[in-house]
Amino acid sequence: DGGITQSPKYLFRKEGQNVTLSCEQNLNHDAMYWYRQDPGQGLRLIYYSQIVNDFQKGDIAEGYSVSREKKESFPLTVTSAQKNPTAFYLCASSSTGWTNEKLFFGSGTQLSVL
Amino acid sequence: ILNVEQSPQSLHVQEGDSTNFTCSFPSSNFYALHWYRWETAKSPEALFVMTLNGDEKKKGRISATLNTKEGYSYLYIKGSQPEDSATYLCAFGPSSGSARQLTFGSGTQLTVLP
Repeated sequence: DGGITQSPKYLFRKEGQNVTLSCEQNLNHDAMYWYRQDPGQGLRLIYYSQIVNDFQKGDIAEGYSVSREKKESFPLTVTSAQKNPTAFYLCASSSTGWTNEKLFFGSGTQLSVL
Repeated sequence: ILNVEQSPQSLHVQEGDSTNFTCSFPSSNFYALHWYRWETAKSPEALFVMTLNGDEKKKGRISATLNTKEGYSYLYIKGSQPEDSATYLCAFGPSSGSARQLTFGSGTQLTVLP
């Protein structure tokens, strides 16, 4: 079955620690996205990649980093510079990155701070 | 920052009732409007992507309409069933064409009571 796999489902971060959230897709999509969800708010874009080895900051990129070394993979690192990392993180992909294409989502990672 | 509002924030309906909710978005610079269904513990799933003023789309008991001139879209569910319980998200895409510009509303949480 084609889709997007996020892992882990739950992640705990200690103060000063970097953690990495995994996102893999087998849909052969060019575009991939990371969103953050906080209670009562809409999904907010953290980072976006339209092609391998290229990515762009979204609205709330501070304290996060990404890489796109392979088409299938778009991991997100939450660094110690992100002071409020507790949130639900969703990875998504779409075919080419145009606005009129539907997004395919993973099932998310809940990150909490210990 | 674009304003995408969804109303109501939440609602409870009885099984068999029909219901509808609203997504309001900027009436200028429109390119696409997305609707997603997000069931608890699952991935958000695309329902519709709408691009033309006056567009109506249907998927089973769910349908959507689009008015780009006044900046709103309605989602209708006919004869609600418990399995329709979910959060329904809309996302506005401006005419830049890039999906990185999608702005999500905070969702309408629907609970269908048996």
